[in-house]
Amino acid sequence: EVQLVESGGGLVKPGGSLRLSCAASGFTFENAWLSWVRQAPGKGPEWVGRTRGKTDGGTTQYAAPVRDRFTISRDDSKATVYLQMNSLQAEDTAVYYCTTDIATWFDYWGQGALVTVSS
Amino acid sequence: QSALTQPASVSGSHGQSITISCTGTSSDVGGYNYVSWYQQHPGKAPKLMIYEVRYRPSGVSDRFSGSKSGNTASLTISGLQAEDEADYYCSSYTSSNSLHVFGTGTKVTVI
Repeated sequence: EVQLVESGGGLVKPGGSLRLSCAASGFTFENAWLSWVRQAPGKGPEWVGRTRGKTDGGTTQYAAPVRDRFTISRDDSKATVYLQMNSLQAEDTAVYYCTTDIATWFDYWGQGALVTVSS
Repeated sequence: QSALTQPASVSGSHGQSITISCTGTSSDVGGYNYVSWYQQHPGKAPKLMIYEVRYRPSGVSDRFSGSKSGNTASLTISGLQAEDEADYYCSSYTSSNSLHVFGTGTKVTVI
């Protein structure tokens, strides 16, 4: 059974940083593509970025609004993907989901981690 | 990148069929057969219901079907059940620099 468990959410002040983790199980992690998708309160989901699997070079891609502030990394030995978020702004307040990524759709989703940016 | 346009709400009686539309542009919905649909119950994570316009993942009821015409994709739920009451979001690959775009969401109510 595929499981994705996010952690690390919380309250952070504007301009601050936070790192989310997503622990995965139930599939071959090192070749898997994984994405982060966020959902602001009362809004639709928004794709944040992805990390490709080992056989695809482990490269990353980001959505324009976060490209210069967020970094996705992975530790295949721990089957964990990370989202480092810097220079956080109020508009980054959202539930952040880790998902398995099939390039053009997202099939399994974690339960989400709430990030609140507020002074 | 603007969100794909969906009706805010759609309702139907138990057992009826309803269709949710998802309108984009030739840079996303109209340009690729990469539309997917997600169901989200309150406080829960989205769940994949349809991928690549019309394909159902294993375990998803065949009451859910997808289609596309031009820049508009559609999700049809037939034989509406109480458990279908949820928010539904479409998504598409896009040639814009954000790669993926989601819809504004549709709240389905079973009356």
